[in-house]
Amino acid sequence: AQSVTQLDSHVSVSEGTPVLLRCNYSSSYSPSLFWYVQHPNKGLQLLLKYTSAATLVKGINGFEAEFKKSETSFHLTKPSAHMSDAAEYFCVVPQREGGSQGNLIFGKGTKLSVKP
Amino acid sequence: DAGVTQSPTHLIKTRGQHVTLRCSPISGHKSVSWYQQVLGQGPQFIFQYYEKEERGRGNFPDRFSARQFPNYSSELNVNALLLGDSALYLCASSFAGGPGYEQYFGPGTRLTVT
Repeated sequence: AQSVTQLDSHVSVSEGTPVLLRCNYSSSYSPSLFWYVQHPNKGLQLLLKYTSAATLVKGINGFEAEFKKSETSFHLTKPSAHMSDAAEYFCVVPQREGGSQGNLIFGKGTKLSVKP
Repeated sequence: DAGVTQSPTHLIKTRGQHVTLRCSPISGHKSVSWYQQVLGQGPQFIFQYYEKEERGRGNFPDRFSARQFPNYSSELNVNALLLGDSALYLCASSFAGGPGYEQYFGPGTRLTVT
């Protein structure tokens, strides 16, 4: 079965410092992986996606993630946090087996707080 | 272009009642998926429809049902509401079903069951 595990439920950083949100995945297939962001009272927005092309994926708003097969990880990073980055972040893998292929399997989320 | 739209934005219902939530996909998208997001959790898959046929169903009771119309819009119906059905219900559209297609989410419908 496929799954993703977000290692931190809450991360707090100061504005201007680096951001690291950690995600490990489990999949018997070569996975696609996504990061979505959800701002308070807003819907989900795709930040970036990995689809087996380049292992370092660049997304919107300065975020990037690196796919590491040896570590089964897909951590999200940003060099310098901005106050507007405060939100909930979800690591996501699309289901590739069984009768519901294509539906998204979400991690439990990491809430990012940014202090001034 | 308009994104995925959902209605209503908020809804308050009483236990035992029935509710219908609506979703309009992005123009040209033929697949709609529904997710339930309980407070403090990641979204959970409920249904996926493609070309008006159910293509997938998550682990939800039969009180939950859905359909897709010829214009690709979709309805999610929940019967005999329970307090535990209180959640944000998200609709996502994609060009087609399957794991290779990016899903775009609407703003959601916040359902409160009292």
